[in-house]
Amino acid sequence: AQTVTQSQPEMSVQEAETVTLSCTYDTSESDYYLFWYKQPPSRQMILVIRQEAYKQQNATENRFSVNFQKAAKSFSLKISDSQLGDAAMYFCAYRSYQYSGGGADGLTFGKGTHLIIQP
Amino acid sequence: DVKVTQSSRYLVKRTGEKVFLECVQDMDHENMFWYRQDPGLGLRLIYFSYDVKMKEKGDIPEGYSVSREKKERFSLILESASTNQTSMYLCASSFLRGRYTFGSGTRLTVV
Repeated sequence: AQTVTQSQPEMSVQEAETVTLSCTYDTSESDYYLFWYKQPPSRQMILVIRQEAYKQQNATENRFSVNFQKAAKSFSLKISDSQLGDAAMYFCAYRSYQYSGGGADGLTFGKGTHLIIQP
Repeated sequence: DVKVTQSSRYLVKRTGEKVFLECVQDMDHENMFWYRQDPGLGLRLIYFSYDVKMKEKGDIPEGYSVSREKKERFSLILESASTNQTSMYLCASSFLRGRYTFGSGTRLTVV
């Protein structure tokens, strides 16, 4: 079974600065997907960024980028130019690439990091 | 705008009651999921379904059951609610290997 670990329960950053959220995972699979989700107080889970393990290039989405280190099983999220609207819970998640046939593909989540943006 | 709708945003039930949490999606997704979210524990998968009348246990199925009689609707059932089932419940759906769409959650309190 896969596990996802987020070691920072809470992080705080000044507005306009850069912050990095950590995520490590454990798997014996070679192909998989990794995700970062944002959950603001509205509770709506929003996909921030997605990375396919077979791609060496790190994914980026505007101010959000990842540092994917496959050998180290590390998947950190960097938020540049932090904005007040970035304040939320952030979850790292793993999904297997293999489809077992007859089973749906659930996500395995970390415990989350609460990101606080200081004005 | 595609969506996953959970019937209640807040729910308060008594211990021992039978509780139904309803989830409806309008995207014709094959897969539907129920997660439980607790502070410090993240999201944990309770049950999922990949087709009508099909279901599989997730990581924490004890005390729960599910029903999927129609493709668009996936119900989570607490046969006899207990206080340790007080939590946030999130429903999600996806095409096979596709992007997840989440509902806005039901915060259930069992008293």
